[in-house]
Amino acid sequence: EVQLVESGGGLVQPGGSLRLSCAASGFTFSSYWMHWVRQAPGKGLVWVSRINSDGSSRNYADSVKGRFTISRDNAKNTLYLQMNSLRAEDTAVYYCAREYCSGGSCYGEFDYWGQGTLVTVSS
Amino acid sequence: DIQLTQSPSFLSASVGDRVTITCRASQGISSSLAWYQQKPGKAPKLLIYAASTLQSGVPSRFSGSGSGTEFTLTISSLQPEDFATYYCQQLNSYPRTFGQGTKVEIK
Repeated sequence: EVQLVESGGGLVQPGGSLRLSCAASGFTFSSYWMHWVRQAPGKGLVWVSRINSDGSSRNYADSVKGRFTISRDNAKNTLYLQMNSLRAEDTAVYYCAREYCSGGSCYGEFDYWGQGTLVTVSS
Repeated sequence: DIQLTQSPSFLSASVGDRVTITCRASQGISSSLAWYQQKPGKAPKLLIYAASTLQSGVPSRFSGSGSGTEFTLTISSLQPEDFATYYCQQLNSYPRTFGQGTKVEIK
């Protein structure tokens, strides 16, 4: 069974840092592209970042570029999101999601999601 | 960036109703669109990908259509478990934008 379990959320002051983790199991983690998506309280889904299967390629939303860094450890089957210079508007539930890949190609849709971890930026 | 606009943003319907949600892209994205369902306090669930392909395990009352800039998600006969918020997402380019969501509530 595919499982994605996020951790690392919590309360942090503006300007602070936090590192989120997403532990993957039930599939060959090193074969899949992974994403972070966030959702502010009562708001819609916002794509944050993506990393390819070997970590050599990354993309970011403009709102987090230069402040957030996505990474992965394929030996530990874990995805990370390092968040620096946090702002109140970064307050959200952060989901990790797997992009469907097959036969060496990835197709875009997010077929599995974690349960999310809440990040609250407040003084 | 590609913008996605869903309509309506809110929909009140009864069990058994046929429901259609529209997603319009600010530029052509071929068939690179997915639909997700999200219930309160839960992660989104993939319903449709490649604009019209039903994800495994999703009931056949859900269907998707469209290409280019206009897409629709249709629920042929609304069931109690379908009351949720629905999002489209473009898969054509980065950033992988979502629509603003359509909340389907019980009339």
